[in-house]
Amino acid sequence: QKEVEQDPGPLSVPEGAIVSLNCTYSNSAFQYFMWYRQYSRKGPELLMYTYSSGNKEDGRFTAQVDKSSKYISLFIRDSQPSDSATYLCAIGGYSTLTFGKGTMLLVSP
Amino acid sequence: NAGVTQTPKFQVLKTGQSMTLQCAQDMNHNSMYWYRQDPGMGLRLIYYSASEGTTDKGEVPNGYNVSRLNKREFSLRLESAAPSQTSVYFCASSELYTGQGETQYFGPGTRLLVL
Repeated sequence: QKEVEQDPGPLSVPEGAIVSLNCTYSNSAFQYFMWYRQYSRKGPELLMYTYSSGNKEDGRFTAQVDKSSKYISLFIRDSQPSDSATYLCAIGGYSTLTFGKGTMLLVSP
Repeated sequence: NAGVTQTPKFQVLKTGQSMTLQCAQDMNHNSMYWYRQDPGMGLRLIYYSASEGTTDKGEVPNGYNVSRLNKREFSLRLESAAPSQTSVYFCASSELYTGQGETQYFGPGTRLLVL
């Protein structure tokens, strides 16, 4: 079992939809959770960072962590075509960051 | 601030050739990292440098060497390139290496094709 699992997609939604992106992890030592956004042919950029269970909001983005289920989510409200990118979860706790493989999101106008 | 910069942006090599990928950061970060990203494999850590003067192997170090030239610069060297090293290479930096998962900031990447 991989330490971090993430559905590769692609996930296609219409503009304005609420998007839910998810990762599961296997090691309970993980305690730091990040989401990166990567546009095509660009480097990943940090989107959200949290270290506790619960929700963290930043504009249209909400990061949710459920440590009991080892499940993290990123919600995007009112999705825009400019949100079309690959979203990578990254988790840390006992070593360097472990990245998910990324979910490709396509938001159509 | 430029953040993390990488050169070159794109490179084509023949099998057996050598090359060095350059990375520099202007954020006064202590720690730097080299990743490769392949389709279906995600980001995999090659080497990292927790602080100036130290380097450590990551998940996929074979075929690579690194040099932490100073606090700003961290280079990745392929001594004898192989087609399996065709990939996109990302450099990243973080304020500190905690061993617990630190926020990292990435460069734009170098696309390497080995024929």
